[in-house]
Amino acid sequence: KAGVTQTPRYLIKTRGQQVTLSCSPISGHRSVSWYQQTPGQGLQFLFEYFSETQRNKGNFPGRFSGRQFSNSRSEMNVSTLELGDSALYLCASGPDDPYEQYFGPGTRLTVT
Amino acid sequence: GENVEQHPSTLSVQEGDSAVIKCTYSDSASNYFPWYKQELGKRPQLIIDIRSNVGEKKDQRIAVTLNKTAKHFSLHITETQPEDSAVYFCAARPLLTGGSYIPTFGRGTSLIVHP
Repeated sequence: KAGVTQTPRYLIKTRGQQVTLSCSPISGHRSVSWYQQTPGQGLQFLFEYFSETQRNKGNFPGRFSGRQFSNSRSEMNVSTLELGDSALYLCASGPDDPYEQYFGPGTRLTVT
Repeated sequence: GENVEQHPSTLSVQEGDSAVIKCTYSDSASNYFPWYKQELGKRPQLIIDIRSNVGEKKDQRIAVTLNKTAKHFSLHITETQPEDSAVYFCAARPLLTGGSYIPTFGRGTSLIVHP
């Protein structure tokens, strides 16, 4: 099976702009989670979608949102970008078993 | 919420030695403990996991032990090789009421294996 894919791989945005990141899970996986990885804070959970519904949510402001489509592909949106949003954004997909997760390569977002 | 502490932050060993990384967690409701390996510039990869109903799990040179009473779990790598060099993350996933969960990760351990 093909692995988790994310697009774009690299992105440079300006403060105040918004950005949309995309994630295609492994075929058959219905759970998609999003994480933010930074040197200072490590890996932090953003949210998880399962069958088009947000099932879990981390402690991030409302500027971070997401959605999942009927084919399990997921998008994450960040509005009003701040310098501190610069990070590697990882998505991970999993089967119906909610525990196992397989990560994508990430999208490196730089906010200037 | 859950808090996961991971030690050491850096671990340097000689090829062939064993390496041990330890994590402690705070929420007794956590019941799934995965370990991920992340090589420089690459995605985290699940290398082994353990659920709260077992105390130890092995997969070739890698093993994980869990002590639920003390709320800690450890990754053991035997006969280390240079290709084991990477950052290793532990995580704990509590199962909250309603079936929701928030995975919490340790800050990572940079393992360096010297040839």
